[in-house]
Amino acid sequence: DADVTQTPRNRITKTGKRIMLECSQTKGHDRMYWYRQDPGLGLRLIYYSFDVKDINKGEISDGYSVSRQAQAKFSLSLESAIPNQTALYFCATSDYGSGFEQFFGPGTRLTVL
Amino acid sequence: AQSVAQPEDQVNVAEGNPLTVKCTYSVSGNPYLFWYVQYPNRGLQFLLKYITGDNLVKGSYGFEAEFNKSQTSFHLKKPSALVSDSALYFCAVRDGSWGKLQFGAGTQVVVTP
Repeated sequence: DADVTQTPRNRITKTGKRIMLECSQTKGHDRMYWYRQDPGLGLRLIYYSFDVKDINKGEISDGYSVSRQAQAKFSLSLESAIPNQTALYFCATSDYGSGFEQFFGPGTRLTVL
Repeated sequence: AQSVAQPEDQVNVAEGNPLTVKCTYSVSGNPYLFWYVQYPNRGLQFLLKYITGDNLVKGSYGFEAEFNKSQTSFHLKKPSALVSDSALYFCAVRDGSWGKLQFGAGTQVVVTP
């Protein structure tokens, strides 16, 4: 969905480096989410935010942190990347009016060497 | 906790034949169920959802899904598969009252000419 953008699209980094993945949306939605996708495991929720002042941990938040800089921006950080954080990361948005449907960005493929 | 299961890692079907992708759910209360599709190197795209009403839900690209409360299933169907339907399909269920989704592991659909 072009209304949800993620940068970078691909990133290769080394163990121990700090990495930030960024997500922006023009849909005007109040809710934003970060997921990681691993083969055979589907999508797992890392963090979610229901407005600028509300941040919540998902099922796999260890090793990650987030920042909701504005309603439209939600960043995911890996403070000290490790190889098992190699995955495809997706940002998504929704609001009450969308009937719980989530709209996804194109994803960021992260490789930690 | 709410959950969904996709019992098949991969479904193979010949072009023109009917396509079925299975999903079963476990929820407390009324289920809100979704199907998403992921094409290579793309984010997830919404196909359809069931919230209430008719058990047969029609969605995008000729897909439909049948909600079966007694069997706790929400199988995705297409009467005549196309090669372009080859993709990864995810079933999801609303988790909690604030719009989080719990995803299944995904089913890879391969449609051969």
